[in-house]
Amino acid sequence: AQTVTQSQPEMSVQEAETVTLSCTYDTSENNYYLFWYKQPPSRQMILVIRQEAYKQQNATENRFSVNFQKAAKSFSLKISDSQLGDTAMYFCAFSLPNAGKSTFGDGTTLTVKP
Amino acid sequence: GAVVSQHPSWVICKSGTSVKIECRSLDFQATTMFWYRQFPKQSLMLMATSNEGSKATYEQGVEKDKFLINHASLTLSTLTVTSAHPEDSSFYICSARGQVNPYGYTFGSGTRLTVV
Repeated sequence: AQTVTQSQPEMSVQEAETVTLSCTYDTSENNYYLFWYKQPPSRQMILVIRQEAYKQQNATENRFSVNFQKAAKSFSLKISDSQLGDTAMYFCAFSLPNAGKSTFGDGTTLTVKP
Repeated sequence: GAVVSQHPSWVICKSGTSVKIECRSLDFQATTMFWYRQFPKQSLMLMATSNEGSKATYEQGVEKDKFLINHASLTLSTLTVTSAHPEDSSFYICSARGQVNPYGYTFGSGTRLTVV
C-alpha cells in the first residue's frame, strides 16, 4: 500500500514571498502520478499541479513548481510570489495509472499574511 | 472541460432518515466516480469507488449498507446515507474520472451533511 506524508501541519508566509511545502511518499511501484491539490475555505478541491513519475523534468504551473526527487520519494511544492488567495489547505496525493483513486496526505494549512 | 457538479451543497436531516447526494459529470462521461469523506481540518478518506453499471467497491471499514452508492449512468452517481445518525455528519466529496481526465482529479464542490 502507498502512503503519503506531509510533515508540516501549518505554515505561514508573507505576501510576495516564496514558500515550500514538503511531501514524502512510499511505494514499491515505478510508474505513478503525484499531485498537489488546494482546498480553500470554500472546500472545493482544486488541482494545482501534477507530476508523472517517469518524467525527470519537474512540473511547473505559473507560480507553482515542484521538486520531484524520485529516489528520495520526495515531492515538494514551491509557491513563488505568494498571494493572499493562496491561503488554503494543500494536499499531496499519489495515484497509480489506471487506478484513478488517490491516496492523500494529511494536508498543510498555508496562511499568506499581508 | 471536465466539470463535476455535486448537489446539494449542504443538507440537514433528522436522525433515522435517509439523504441522497448526487454527483454529476456535466461535460464528459465519467466511467468511474469516487466518494470521499472529510472531517474538519483533516484529509480526504476514500469511501468507495463506483464504476458505471456495476457495484461499487467499498474501502475497508465503510458500511456498504449504510452508504449506498449507485452509478447507473455515465454522468451520474449517487450516495445515499441510510438511517443517518449524528456521527454521519461530515463533508462528502465526489470526484469523477473519464477519458478527458484519466487521473480522477476533477472534484465536485462537496456536500456538508448535518444530522440532528
